[in-house]
Amino acid sequence: EVQLVESGGGLVKPGGSLRLSCAASGFTFSSYSMNWVRQAPGKGLEWVSCITRTGTYIYYADSVKGRFTISRDNAKNSLYLQMNSLRAEDTAVYYCARDPGIRPGHFDYWGQGTLVSVSS
Amino acid sequence: QSVLTQPPSASGTPGQRVTISCSGSSSNIRSNYVYWYQQLPGTAPKFLIYRDNERPSGVPDRFSGSKSGTSASLAISGLRSEDEADYYCAAWDDSLSVVVFGGGTKLTVV
Repeated sequence: EVQLVESGGGLVKPGGSLRLSCAASGFTFSSYSMNWVRQAPGKGLEWVSCITRTGTYIYYADSVKGRFTISRDNAKNSLYLQMNSLRAEDTAVYYCARDPGIRPGHFDYWGQGTLVSVSS
Repeated sequence: QSVLTQPPSASGTPGQRVTISCSGSSSNIRSNYVYWYQQLPGTAPKFLIYRDNERPSGVPDRFSGSKSGTSASLAISGLRSEDEADYYCAAWDDSLSVVVFGGGTKLTVV
């Protein structure tokens, strides 16, 4: 069974940093691109970032470019999101999602999400 | 303001057929596959339609996707109360090099 379990969320002050993790199991992690998608309270889905299978290609939404860094460790079946210079508008539930597609967008499995709150 | 445009709400009665539209442009919907996601209240999104009109195993054939030009649609036939959820379309955008989502459509089964 495919499982994606996010962790690392919490309350952080504006300007602070946080590192999210996503532990994957039930499939060959290194065979899939992985993504982060977020959802602010009461709002719609917003794609954040994608990393391809070996990390060769990485994409970011303009809203996080230069502040967030996506990475993966295929030996540990884990996906990460390093978030720096956090802003109030980064407050959201962050989901990791598996992507079997050639181009990002095909999110066939999602984690349950981890909540990031940015507030003073 | 989302790059893909969806109606904020839709409604139908049990057994009815409803459609949800998703309007984009030549750099996203016309050039790339469209995906649809269902989000039940308080839960993570669920994969519903891929490659414009393909259904993953386990998704009832009451759900169908279509695309024409720069627009796509999700149709739900034989509407059930458990279909009450938020629905999102998504696609890769060649010009922006990002995944774009629609703003979401809240479906109410009255």
